[in-house]
Amino acid sequence: KQEVTQIPAALSVPEGENLVLNCSFTDSAIYNLQWFRQDPGKGLTSLLLIQSSQREQTSGRLNASLDKSSGRSTLYIAASQPGDSATYLCAVRRRSGGGADGLTFGKGTHLIIQP
Amino acid sequence: EPEVTQTPSHQVTQMGQEVILRCVPISNHLYFYWYRQILGQKVEFLVSFYNNEISEKSEIFDDQFSVERPDGSNFTLKIRSTKLEDSAMYFCASRKDREGEKLFFGSGTQLSVL
Repeated sequence: KQEVTQIPAALSVPEGENLVLNCSFTDSAIYNLQWFRQDPGKGLTSLLLIQSSQREQTSGRLNASLDKSSGRSTLYIAASQPGDSATYLCAVRRRSGGGADGLTFGKGTHLIIQP
Repeated sequence: EPEVTQTPSHQVTQMGQEVILRCVPISNHLYFYWYRQILGQKVEFLVSFYNNEISEKSEIFDDQFSVERPDGSNFTLKIRSTKLEDSAMYFCASRKDREGEKLFFGSGTQLSVL
C-alpha cells in the first residue's frame, strides 16, 4: 500500500528566504506526482504536476523535482512571501491502465512566512 | 477561470440521517472524484467516476455511499445513514479527458454528524 510522508510537518521562516519542502513515497510505481496548496477552510489548488518520466517542473517561483527511483520529490519555493503561507500537500497517482485513479496524499507541510 | 462548485458549504445532520452533497464540476471535464479530509488527517480518496459509472473506489466507500450524475452538470455523493465518523470535509474534484491533467478541487462541504 502506498504511503506518502512529508517533512517537515510545519515550517516558519522570514520573508524572502528560499525553502525546500520534502515528500517521500514508498512505492515507486507511480504515474505522476502533484503538489497542492491548501488554504484554511478552502479547497486544494494544484501547483505543479510531474509525470513519472519527468525530473522537474517549474512555475514562477516554484520548482518541483522528482526522483522516482528513490521515492522522493521536493518543492522549492524561491524568495518566499507572506502570501505563500498555506499547507502544501504532495500526492501521488499510481500507475494505471485505465483513465481514472485516486491520489494518495501526504499529511502536508504547514508553512508560515513571517513578514 | 472555471471552477468546481460545491453546495452546501456546511451541513449538519443527525446520526442515521441521509445526506446528499452536491457538486458542479468544470463543464468540459469528464473525470469526477470525491475525497474527504477528517480534521487533522490526510486527504483520502473515496471514489472516481467516468462515463456514468464508478471507475474506482476506496475501502472507505462502502455500501452506505453512492454517487450519481443525474444530469449533464451535477455530481452528487449520498451517504445513506450517517455515522459520527462520517464527519469530515468532503471535496469534489474533476479533470479533463487527457491523461496527466491536473485535478481541480472544489472548496468543500463540511459535514458535521451529531
